[in-house]
Amino acid sequence: QVQLVQSGAEVKEPGSSVKLSCKASGDTFSRYVISWVRQAPGQGLEWMGGIIPLFGVSKYAEKFQDRVTFTADESIKTAYMELSSLTSEDTAVYYCAQEPRYLARTWFDPWGQGTLVTVSS
Amino acid sequence: EIVLTQSPGTLSLSPGERATLSCRASQSISSTYLAWYQQKPGQAPRLLIYGASSRATGIPDRFSGSGSGTDFTLTISRLEPEDFAVYHCQQYGSSPPTFGQGTKLEIK
Repeated sequence: QVQLVQSGAEVKEPGSSVKLSCKASGDTFSRYVISWVRQAPGQGLEWMGGIIPLFGVSKYAEKFQDRVTFTADESIKTAYMELSSLTSEDTAVYYCAQEPRYLARTWFDPWGQGTLVTVSS
Repeated sequence: EIVLTQSPGTLSLSPGERATLSCRASQSISSTYLAWYQQKPGQAPRLLIYGASSRATGIPDRFSGSGSGTDFTLTISRLEPEDFAVYHCQQYGSSPPTFGQGTKLEIK
């Protein structure tokens, strides 16, 4: 069973960038998309995009495509999400989640534990 | 993008009762590509149902999903104390994948 462990909480100033990590256990890391989903305080879930580590190919939600970068390091089974030009509206819990089917439309399972990013001056 | 609307926003029930949660899509979802998740405070979402009606591994059979097209339902047959949480539906039939705003199931 794959497990995803995310990096710790971050506090950032407006206008800066944040880079989060998501480390996987198990054998399926490279073949399946790692997506990123965020949840602002008291709000619903919002898909940001993701990467399939095997090919290094990313997909993006239109809202974020100009300021988000997804990368992955297969050697250490870790995916990264970098979000730039932060504003207070980016304050949220950021989750990584795996799409557990190869090159297919799928649900998200499992999920990481989440990383709280607070944007404040 | 497909907009998912969940109802009710909050559902107040007692343990042992039956819960029925609704998820309605703004357009038809292809091939029943709909999932349900449970989220407790301070925790990540947990997959309950995929393919509209298939239970994920380890999910008790009191949870069931049904529906097709634009109307989907999550049913919890007999509520246990641990079932009180927020429930999200999600469609993955078209890009971008989208989520409903959630239904909070609270103890009456």
